[in-house]
Amino acid sequence: DAGVTQSPTHLIKTRGQQVTLRCSPKSGHDTVSWYQQALGQGPQFIFQYYEEEERQRGNFPDRFSGHQFPNYSSELNVNALLLGDSALYLCASSRTVSFSPLHFGNGTRLTVT
Amino acid sequence: GIQVEQSPPDLILQEGANSTLRCNFSDSVNNLQWFHQNPWGQLINLFYIPSGTKQNGRLSATTVATERYSLLYISSSQTTDSGVYFCAVAGGSGGSNYKLTFGKGTLLTVNP
Repeated sequence: DAGVTQSPTHLIKTRGQQVTLRCSPKSGHDTVSWYQQALGQGPQFIFQYYEEEERQRGNFPDRFSGHQFPNYSSELNVNALLLGDSALYLCASSRTVSFSPLHFGNGTRLTVT
Repeated sequence: GIQVEQSPPDLILQEGANSTLRCNFSDSVNNLQWFHQNPWGQLINLFYIPSGTKQNGRLSATTVATERYSLLYISSSQTTDSGVYFCAVAGGSGGSNYKLTFGKGTLLTVNP
């Protein structure tokens, strides 16, 4: 049973560029959440997708956008990258029918130079 | 929004020792989860425990929702238990059921 998979594992971008991160949820899961984890901090909620729509959003600017596809996989897009966007980006999946445990992928380490 | 405080921030143990990690939260919750982040950054779900007590091998957790705290117990610690332990909650008055708020974590180091 494949868990949550994320790609790429590492990425280096320049300020002002745009980036797309990808996530495939655990089998049987229909909900995908994205988190940003800065060094030494706990993960911060970016947004959650269910039924191909953004259901909930955290305190992140509109430069952060996402998408969920019919197969439940998801993308996180960040435009106009800033140095402060350097972080570990984590995707988590769950089932929405009940408050089910979150399962995280291994993350994408984004470095903005 | 809901606030989450974890204590202690750092903990150093000898292999075989027991420990208790605490998570306090500022409002009622309907979702509480404990995670372990290993030194390679992988986040593993340990417990989904909005109330009550659960056990899984050497780990157990208790949440007293009415008093707004949760405890994670680690018995007979092993070096592989090292890493950061996070408590995350969702709910609160007017809050969202979907947005998990994480504490700052407890950094556990288990020495051989």
